[in-house]
Amino acid sequence: EVQLVESGGGLVQPGGSLRLSCAASGFIVSTNNMIWVRQAPGQGLEWVSLTYSGGDTEYADSVKGRFTVSRLNSENTLFLQMSSLRPEDTAFYYCAAEPPEDVWGTYRTWGQGTLVLVSS
Amino acid sequence: DIQMTQSPSSLSASVGDTVTITCRASQSISSYFNWFQQKPGKAPKLLIYAASSLQSGVPSRFSGSGSGTDFTLTIRSLQPEDFATYYCQQTYKTPYVFGQGTKLEIK
Repeated sequence: EVQLVESGGGLVQPGGSLRLSCAASGFIVSTNNMIWVRQAPGQGLEWVSLTYSGGDTEYADSVKGRFTVSRLNSENTLFLQMSSLRPEDTAFYYCAAEPPEDVWGTYRTWGQGTLVLVSS
Repeated sequence: DIQMTQSPSSLSASVGDTVTITCRASQSISSYFNWFQQKPGKAPKLLIYAASSLQSGVPSRFSGSGSGTDFTLTIRSLQPEDFATYYCQQTYKTPYVFGQGTKLEIK
């Protein structure tokens, strides 16, 4: 079964750091384009980043310079390293995958999400 | 950045009705366009990709149309499980902006 599971969310103080994990099963993360999307409580969806299968990553302006995506192929896992966190980063964070056979930006597989709460 | 304008922001309908949600891009995005359904406390679920292709396992009462700048999601014969929030998304160019969402409620 194709599946993504996020973990690592929690309560962090403003200015702090947190690393989210997105573990895949049933497919190989490094062959897929992967995105992170977040959703503040009660609000809409916001795209955060796109990591191409080749490894390059693009970021939303709102997180550029503060968030970094990495991949550990041996663990088939994508990470989102978040630093200099702000209260407005409070959100559910989702990862999603586009299979290599798709060309239209088709993000079929989503994780269940993990909540990041930035508060003092 | 490409802007996505989704309308309406909310919609009331009855079981069995047909509803239409629209999304307009600020520039042409060809067919790099998705529709998602989201229920409270759940992750978004892909319904339509490439503007008009039905994701596997999604009921055929859902359909998408459009290309370029104007896109439509139609849900025919609404079922109780269809009451949710719907989002459009462009994947033509980053940032992959989402529409503001349409909350579909039971009348």
